[in-house]
Amino acid sequence: KAGVTQTPRYLIKTRGQQVTLSCSPISGHRSVSWYQQTPGQGLQFLFEYFSETQRNKGNFPGRFSGRQFSNSRSEMNVSTLELGDSALYLCASSKDGGDSYEQYFGPGTRLTVT
Amino acid sequence: AQSVSQHNHHVILSEAASLELGCNYSYGGTVNLFWYVQYPGQHLQLLLKYFSGDPLVKGIKGFEAEFIKSKFSFNLRKPSVQWSDTAEYFCAVNPMDSNYQLIWGAGTKLIIKP
Repeated sequence: KAGVTQTPRYLIKTRGQQVTLSCSPISGHRSVSWYQQTPGQGLQFLFEYFSETQRNKGNFPGRFSGRQFSNSRSEMNVSTLELGDSALYLCASSKDGGDSYEQYFGPGTRLTVT
Repeated sequence: AQSVSQHNHHVILSEAASLELGCNYSYGGTVNLFWYVQYPGQHLQLLLKYFSGDPLVKGIKGFEAEFIKSKFSFNLRKPSVQWSDTAEYFCAVNPMDSNYQLIWGAGTKLIIKP
């Protein structure tokens, strides 16, 4: 069974630009969560999508947005990039957010903003 | 606000030493509990989980964790560590009424000296 895949793996963008990251969950998984990982901050939750609906949202500004498609693939968009957005962005999928909320992570997209 | 505390940010041990990493959470209701591990250059992966039943749970690679409800703790243990256990370890808590969100600790970087 294929794992969670994320594209691209690495990105370099300039301040003020926008970026779109993509995540394909494990087949059969309907929940996709996005996290920002930075040294010393750990994993910061961005949002979670389930069946094309945003079900939960973390404390990030509106520049961070996402969506999920009918095949459960998800995209995350960051507009007007800032230097502080440089981080590893992780996607995690889960079969269902019910009683067994076990998440499977992708390798991440390393975003560098210059 | 709900939070997860991992008291040690960096731990350095020699091979064969015993390991205990602390994890405490602030939530009074029912929780699911997880430990994840991130080996250098690899994805985050699940180490072990607790949903209900026996509070002592065993995971992969000889790790175990004990859920002590009265102390709101879920400490990770291993009797004898190996150099290959060098990694970053994250505790995560899923409050059962949290709309399917995982609350993450900041992580503990474990370095095992050969």
